[in-house]
Amino acid sequence: KNQVEQSPQSLIILEGKNCTLQCNYTVSPFSNLRWYKQDTGRGPVSLTIMTFSENTKSNGRYTATLDADTKQSSLHITASQLSDSASYICVVSSSGSYIPTFGRGTSLIVHP
Amino acid sequence: DGGITQSPKYLFRKEGQNVTLSCEQNLNHDAMYWYRQDPGQGLRLIYYSQIVNDFQKGDIAEGYSVSREKKESFPLTVTSAQKNPTAFYLCASSIGGGDAGYTFGSGTRLTVV
Repeated sequence: KNQVEQSPQSLIILEGKNCTLQCNYTVSPFSNLRWYKQDTGRGPVSLTIMTFSENTKSNGRYTATLDADTKQSSLHITASQLSDSASYICVVSSSGSYIPTFGRGTSLIVHP
Repeated sequence: DGGITQSPKYLFRKEGQNVTLSCEQNLNHDAMYWYRQDPGQGLRLIYYSQIVNDFQKGDIAEGYSVSREKKESFPLTVTSAQKNPTAFYLCASSIGGGDAGYTFGSGTRLTVV
């Protein structure tokens, strides 16, 4: 069964600090991995997409990494801002399935 | 601007009532999806449609119904058979399968009163 596990479940950091969110998956055959940001009461918005051959991809202060051998991904947020407070969802797609597999998300709170 | 619109943003339902959530997209996407989101849980798939006049059940289809008469529209009806309908509902669309990436609507929060 395809699964995506995210950790930690929740995280509280101070403004300006860095943090890293983790995503482990057992989806096979792998197609791509996306990180979404979901603000409270809003729909998720895509941050990054990574395919099998990509190790790192950045989007402003967000940097995603992918290790396809260990089936792990991380999302690193640099110099956090209050607006980074949100849920971050890891979604892994399989070339063998029409529907991707969602993680439960990591809830990030950035305090001033 | 292209996008996906859900309405209403907030919806209240009395016990025993059916309610319909609207989802419209102007992205020319073939596929559309409905997900339910509960606190502390991930998104769970209710129904999806790959093409007009065709749709498939997801993991939690019981108590819900959909139609896909137009490419742009994919309304979700929450029937009285759904015993615990209070949740946040998200509609999404994609060019093809889910590996093409989703564009999500802003969601509808349904509350039973």
